[in-house]
Amino acid sequence: ETGVTQTPRHLVMGMTNKKSLKCEQHLGHNAMYWYKQSAKKPLELMFVYSLEERVENNSVPSRFSPECPNSSHLFLHLHTLQPEDSALYLCASSQGTGTGENTGELFFGEGSRLTVL
Amino acid sequence: TQLLEQSPQFLSIQEGENLTVYCNSSSVFSSLQWYRQEPGEGPVLLVTVVTGGEVKKLKRLTFQFGDARKDSSLHITAAQPGDTGLYLCAGVTNFGNEKLTFGTGTRLTIIP
Repeated sequence: ETGVTQTPRHLVMGMTNKKSLKCEQHLGHNAMYWYKQSAKKPLELMFVYSLEERVENNSVPSRFSPECPNSSHLFLHLHTLQPEDSALYLCASSQGTGTGENTGELFFGEGSRLTVL
Repeated sequence: TQLLEQSPQFLSIQEGENLTVYCNSSSVFSSLQWYRQEPGEGPVLLVTVVTGGEVKKLKRLTFQFGDARKDSSLHITAAQPGDTGLYLCAGVTNFGNEKLTFGTGTRLTIIP
């Protein structure tokens, strides 16, 4: 139990569906992150939120839309995805702000395994 | 773009053997983290090394940061099945805008 909870753990969706991934952290951290983990590729940073403001968007396609309504919750809205988007999506949080301050340790959730048919 | 290459990519050894995993880059990092990710879980931080040449021990695991802060190694003594997992190094750069770059990963399997 890392204090970061992701739901759902598994998701299968068609290319025309709209779904959302949810992340909640119970650690009082200031920054939250979305990472994509694919086979044979390093962890790819997608988005960073610091104090509820998006501070980084690593050229992610617009079919991925993040939302951070408060410092404890982070969503990733998915629409018209492609089969190559199938991957494990990991949420993480850190005590630092992730914006030039000392980010320190990342606390990851267990991930949401996404399969796009 | 910083690139952190880990080797080997896959490693399968018998319980009780020793092993070393390497993390190499041409970039200098202000610090380096090692994570372990077990099947069905997210990565969990094992250690952070900060000073060039630093050695840290965590039970049977020994972590070393290269003198030039471009590389790191993880040595496991007397490996156990519980050591099985994906080992990830992550380099931290801080040149006005801190970034964390993950390595390519080493998938370790310890055979009982």
